[in-house]
Amino acid sequence: SQQGEEDPQALSIQEGENATMNCSYKTSINNLQWYRQNSGRGLVHLILIRSNEREKHSGRLRVTLDTSKKSSSLLITASRAADTASYFCATPDRGSTLGRLYFGRGTQLTVWP
Amino acid sequence: EAQVTQNPRYLITVTGKKLTVTCSQNMNHEYMSWYRQDPGLGLRQIYYSMNVEVTDKGDVPEGYKVSRKEKRNFPLILESPSPNQTSLYFCASSLSGDYGYTFGSGTRLTVV
Repeated sequence: SQQGEEDPQALSIQEGENATMNCSYKTSINNLQWYRQNSGRGLVHLILIRSNEREKHSGRLRVTLDTSKKSSSLLITASRAADTASYFCATPDRGSTLGRLYFGRGTQLTVWP
Repeated sequence: EAQVTQNPRYLITVTGKKLTVTCSQNMNHEYMSWYRQDPGLGLRQIYYSMNVEVTDKGDVPEGYKVSRKEKRNFPLILESPSPNQTSLYFCASSLSGDYGYTFGSGTRLTVV
């Protein structure tokens, strides 16, 4: 399976600290996507990084991609209590013209005020 | 407002009673997809569609049907629901597989 796996499963930090989550996947990819989910709600797309990119920024988010190690990381700088959520990485299956999208089980981030 | 709309948000039904969960997007997206989310199992793809009349199975298609007769709509049909289909369901759409997905708010289904 192409399924990505996030690490750690859970992360607890204080406001103002940085949070780093990692994602590993198994086969070649066209892109890797990160999503956030607040408890019981729909997922929100955060950032997409393509296989020919190594780093991407969006506000307080920084995503890196290492295709040689088949891994990605999501860094949230200066965390806020509102960042408390589950974070998922997702990778599309190249063989299905990218229609199949595999999600990991997520990292539960808790940011304490 | 650009969005994916799912209905209903909550549904309790009995085993064997056919039901349809509707999904509609107003962004002219080509790709649409259905997922179920279960504790400990993450999100698993049920079916996906890359255009009108083009659909394919995801990881867990058994017990579900879909159709894509119009670009904007992608309903999920449970012909004979069973308790193991109790789950939180999400519909999502994307311009193409090389863009992120916009998710609906979810449908919490309970089959008793």
